[in-house]
This record gives sequence, structure tokens and C-alpha cells, in this order.
Amino acid sequence: KAGVTQTPRYLIKTRGQQVTLSCSPISGHRSVSWYQQTPGQGLQFLFEYFSETQRNKGNFPGRFSGRQFSNSRSEMNVSTLELGDSALYLCASSASSGRDTQYFGPGTRLTVL
Amino acid sequence: EDQVTQSPEALRLQEGESSSLNCSYTVSGLRGLFWYRQDPGKGPEFLFTLYSAGEEKEKERLKATLTKKESFLHITAPKPEDSATYLCAVQAGGTSYGKLTFGQGTILTVHP
Repeated sequence: KAGVTQTPRYLIKTRGQQVTLSCSPISGHRSVSWYQQTPGQGLQFLFEYFSETQRNKGNFPGRFSGRQFSNSRSEMNVSTLELGDSALYLCASSASSGRDTQYFGPGTRLTVL
Repeated sequence: EDQVTQSPEALRLQEGESSSLNCSYTVSGLRGLFWYRQDPGKGPEFLFTLYSAGEEKEKERLKATLTKKESFLHITAPKPEDSATYLCAVQAGGTSYGKLTFGQGTILTVHP
């Protein structure tokens, strides 16, 4: 079974731009969660989608948004990029949003200049 | 607020020298505790899920245990390829859909 895939793997943007990251979950998984990983803050939860609905959201500004499609693929968008948004963005999928294990993708490394 | 604290921050071992990593947590109704391994520049790789106090799971040289306040990851006779950052995470009950709260990780280095 193919794992979680994320595109692109690397991205360089300048301040003020916006960016869209994509995540394809493991086949059959309906829940997708997004995390931001930085050296200072570690892994922090952004939001979770299940059956095209946002079920949970972390403590991030409204510049961070996401959506999920009917095939469970998900995208996250960051508008008006700031230097502090430079991070590894990780997507994880699970069969449901209950007690199921989350499996992570390789991440998208975003650098904001 | 859910909290996860991992210790030590870094651990250096000689090949074959067994040790344990600690994960202390406070959470409102534990739904699950997860251990992951992360190599530099890669996404976390799933190791174990523990659901209730007293539960234990093993995989090769690794064994995870769980009490009501902490979890341990025991590494027996480690090899250099076990070098990585080990992450502990908890999922709370209630409406914490899809949210894992992570510790800062333990960086393990195994010297040959």
C-alpha cells in the first residue's frame, strides 16, 4: 500500500506571497491532519479534516487554511507569508479521527525569504 | 492543556549499551499514546501505539510501556542505525479529533 505523499517536497517563497501544499493520504484513509515542525516549537497541530469537514483546529492565525476533497486528498494554504512560516509542513492520515494511528508523509520544506 | 515532556533531550550510547527514553504526559482522558522515530529531513515513522496503563509492545530492539503518567521506550543492544530522534505524542479524548500533542523529542546517537 502506498504511503502518504506530499507535494512539492521543497518550496522557496518570499514574504507576502501565498503558498498551497498538497497531501494524498493512504488509500482508504479519511482523516488528514496537518502539522508544522520548527526547531524551536517542535511539531504543532494545525488542523484536521474528515470527510471534507474541518473537525479540529490548532492555535494558528487565519492565514493558515485548508480543505479536503471528496477523494480525501487535502491541501493547506498559507497567505501573506512571513519569515516565521519557514518550517517543515507535515501531513498525516488515519483511517478515522478516533484512536487510529496517524501515518506521516515526508513533508514539504518551506523556506520564506 | 495537554502536555508531553520527553527526557533526556539527547542520549549518546555505545553500540550494545541498553537504555530507556522517558515520556511524561498530562492529558484530559488519554485516547492513545504514540511513539515515532524521525530521521533528519524526513517525516516521523510510526513505531507503537499504547492505549491503556500496563500495556506493552515490542518490535525488534524496541519495547514501549505505559503507565498512567508516563511511557518508556526501552532500547536493547542498540545499533548505529537506531540513531534518530524519538518522538512521543498523545491524543486526548473528547473532541480532540486528529490532534496529536508532541513532546520535543529525544535525539539518540549510537556510536559503533
